[in-house]
Amino acid sequence: DIQLTQSPSSLSASVGDTVTITCRASQGVMNFLAWFQQKPGKAPKSLIFGASTLQSGVPSRFSGSGSGTDFTLTITNLQPEDFATYYCQQYNNYPWTFGQGTKVEIE
Amino acid sequence: QVQLVESGGTVVQPGGSLKLSCEASGFTFTTYDIHWVRQAPGKGLEWVAFIRYDGNYKFFADSVKGRFTISRDNSKNTVSLQMNSLRSDDTAVYYCAKGGGWPHLTFDHWGQGTVVTISS
Repeated sequence: DIQLTQSPSSLSASVGDTVTITCRASQGVMNFLAWFQQKPGKAPKSLIFGASTLQSGVPSRFSGSGSGTDFTLTITNLQPEDFATYYCQQYNNYPWTFGQGTKVEIE
Repeated sequence: QVQLVESGGTVVQPGGSLKLSCEASGFTFTTYDIHWVRQAPGKGLEWVAFIRYDGNYKFFADSVKGRFTISRDNSKNTVSLQMNSLRSDDTAVYYCAKGGGWPHLTFDHWGQGTVVTISS
């Protein structure tokens, strides 16, 4: 199975900050990497697929990059509604796997 | 708009069985894959099962293989997850999720989830 390791596991930031979350795969997944946002008690929301393509309706302050084994999710001008847990996920090989999550908290 | 509505979650004793359903609307159901993803209390997301748009391919996580089955009724826009020999570590919120378009088949829409609790 492909292991995905996110870092950091949690971070504190302020409104207006830029935050970057990394996701490293244990083997190459080409660009078959997605990012999801989850708020407490809610279903995940799809943000990015293909490592860098925003899902419809996702604000442009979210961006993704990377290919192969190393990926990043960047949120610029952090907004109050962005405080949540973020997961990366690979869909290059079954079983599809998720990173352990990164919790973005208010500083 | 795309909607996925899960149902069937409840409290079940260890060793018991349960069937979850996912009813879909707002898209051409026969064209898209459907997945089940679960989240144990306080834990991360775990992909559980997949069924292709035509029902001809199915994959399962090792943790549920041989105990869970998945099926779809394209005439009713529903996917079912039959869960047998349930264990305490199957306790989770179960989400159904719609796959995206080729080649980016990952989840693009999620249901609200249904809670399954395995307890005596």
